[in-house]
Amino acid sequence: EIVMTQSPATVSVSPGERATLSCRASQSVSSKLAWYQQRPGQAPRLLLYGASTRATGIPARFSGSGSGTEFTLTISSLQSEDFAVYYCQQYNNWPTFGQGTKVQIK
Amino acid sequence: QVQLVQSGAEVKKPGSSVKVSCKASGGTFNSYSVSWVRQAPGQGLEWMGRIIPVLGAAYYAQNFQGRVTITADKFTSTAYMELRSLRSEDTAVYYCAIWAGYSSSRFDYWGQGTLVTVSS
Repeated sequence: EIVMTQSPATVSVSPGERATLSCRASQSVSSKLAWYQQRPGQAPRLLLYGASTRATGIPARFSGSGSGTEFTLTISSLQSEDFAVYYCQQYNNWPTFGQGTKVQIK
Repeated sequence: QVQLVQSGAEVKKPGSSVKVSCKASGGTFNSYSVSWVRQAPGQGLEWMGRIIPVLGAAYYAQNFQGRVTITADKFTSTAYMELRSLRSEDTAVYYCAIWAGYSSSRFDYWGQGTLVTVSS
């Protein structure tokens, strides 16, 4: 099983500022990495796949980078609706998720 | 746009079983793989397994092998997840989610979730 590790567990950011979230895989997953946003009481929503491709309807302020074992999700200018938990997921093998990073208001 | 609608919340006794359904609409059910993902209260996401409805082929994550059965009815575009020998640690929201094709991939669409509470 490929273990996904996200950091930090929680990040505090002011509205309008940038947030940078990290995800590390225990072995290479190539670019088979997705990011999801989960707001309280809601199902996860696909943000990015292929490490950097935005899903349909996702704003350009969300961007992703990385390949192999190190990945980054950047939210360039946080809006109120972006305060949520973010998960990475690899699909190079059977799917596994990171434990999540909570983005909270500073 | 695919929509996944799950069955309602359940309360179960320890040792019993639960079966959750997930009905798809708005897409070609037979071109997707349907997975089940659970989330314990305040915890992260855990993949349980997947089925390819057109083939009826199911695969289960090691943590759930022997205790979970995933089935699908390709004629009604509905998938099911049955979890047996329930214990308190199985209290969670259970989501169905789909990816296009048969190989492991990202989850494009999610159901709304079904809360299963295991309590004596």
